[in-house]
This record gives sequence, structure tokens and C-alpha cells, in this order.
Amino acid sequence: EAQVTQNPRYLITVTGKKLTVTCSQNMNHEYMSWYRQDPGLGLRQIYYSMNVEVTDKGDVPEGYKVSRKEKRNFPLILESPSPNQTSLYFCASSPSGQVSYNEQFFGPGTRLTVL
Amino acid sequence: QKEVEQDPGPLSVPEGAIVSLNCTYSNSAFQYFMWYRQYSRKGPELLMYTYSSGNKEDGRFTAQVDKSSKYISLFIRDSQPSDSATYLCAVFMEYGNKLVFGAGTILRVKS
Repeated sequence: EAQVTQNPRYLITVTGKKLTVTCSQNMNHEYMSWYRQDPGLGLRQIYYSMNVEVTDKGDVPEGYKVSRKEKRNFPLILESPSPNQTSLYFCASSPSGQVSYNEQFFGPGTRLTVL
Repeated sequence: QKEVEQDPGPLSVPEGAIVSLNCTYSNSAFQYFMWYRQYSRKGPELLMYTYSSGNKEDGRFTAQVDKSSKYISLFIRDSQPSDSATYLCAVFMEYGNKLVFGAGTILRVKS
């Protein structure tokens, strides 16, 4: 089954404790992206990757890191999480970076709480 | 000022009603316009995309774009309880590969 998977689905952590949220897609998509979703603010893009070893900042990259060493994986790293990073996170992939007409396939989401 | 404004709702309608969901955007450089549907505890899924001003129809769904007013709409005919979800508009420009989502409108269709 074609899908985007994220792990973990739920995570409660404390301020400053490094964490990684994994994202993997099995559709051989070139483009992958991370979003956070907050009430009243909608989806905001954190980072995106047009292909392996190519990553770019989105609208809200501060406090996050990403890497794209393999085509299928795009982990999101929070080196020192803070409470304002409490949010619902989505990973997405698309056949290409032309995300207007190429559908982005979203993962199921990771709900992160930072105490 | 937000680049995309969308009324968060919730919008509650009876089954069979025509639903109108709307967004406005501020930058005329946005070229592509999309609607995503998001069910509770799920990721968004693309419903429709349009490029030019005018209407695009897909079954019970019609997307409308008015570039002169920077206004986009999604109409749902004969709404069903299964249409209950959050609907997000999104706009995209090729320059800078910029994609911006609206905050989403919660729709509830009552049977």
C-alpha cells in the first residue's frame, strides 16, 4: 500500500530533551516536506526537500533540523524542544516539487507535547 | 496580515444543503489554488486544484477562483454527513516554491 508513515504518533517530552520524528514514504517520491498544524494558524511549512541531499527552509524552520540522506526518509529533529513546539506535525511527499498540481500525500500526523 | 484568510467556522448545515467555503489571499503572485479535506485525526488529502480564474467541477464539488478579487471558493452540493471535515484552502506560487495554507474551516453536516 502506498503510504507515508510517521513515528511516533504521540509523544510527550520535556524541554531540552532532543527528539527525532521519523517519516518514510514508499512511493519513490522526490519531494518531501514537514508541516506543523496549530489551531487558528493552519498548516505551516517547516522544511522541505526537493530530492536527496537537498533541503530548504519553509516558513517556520527555527528550532528544527532535517536531513535527506535517502529518498524514502525525511526525519525531523528537535535538538532542544521548547513548549512553543507543542503541535501536530505532518510529513508529506509528492512526486515532484510542483505541489500545485502534484498531490501531496500526508502522513497520519504526530502529536507532540513539550512540557 | 495573513497571506491567506479563511473563516474557521464551525459551519453547521443540514444534509442536502449547498455549502460555500471561502478564502481570500493577499498576494496576486499566487498562481495555483487548492482545496484539501482533513478528517478528524487524519492528514489532509487533496480535493481539487485550479490554475485559472473560473470554475472547476468534480462531482458534487465546484472550485471557483476570482483572481481579480483574490477570492477562492469551494461549493459542495447535496452535502452528506460524510462531508463533515475540516476544509483547507491553499495557494502556491512557483517563484520560491511558496505554498501557503489557510487555517481551515470546520464543516458539520447533520443528518
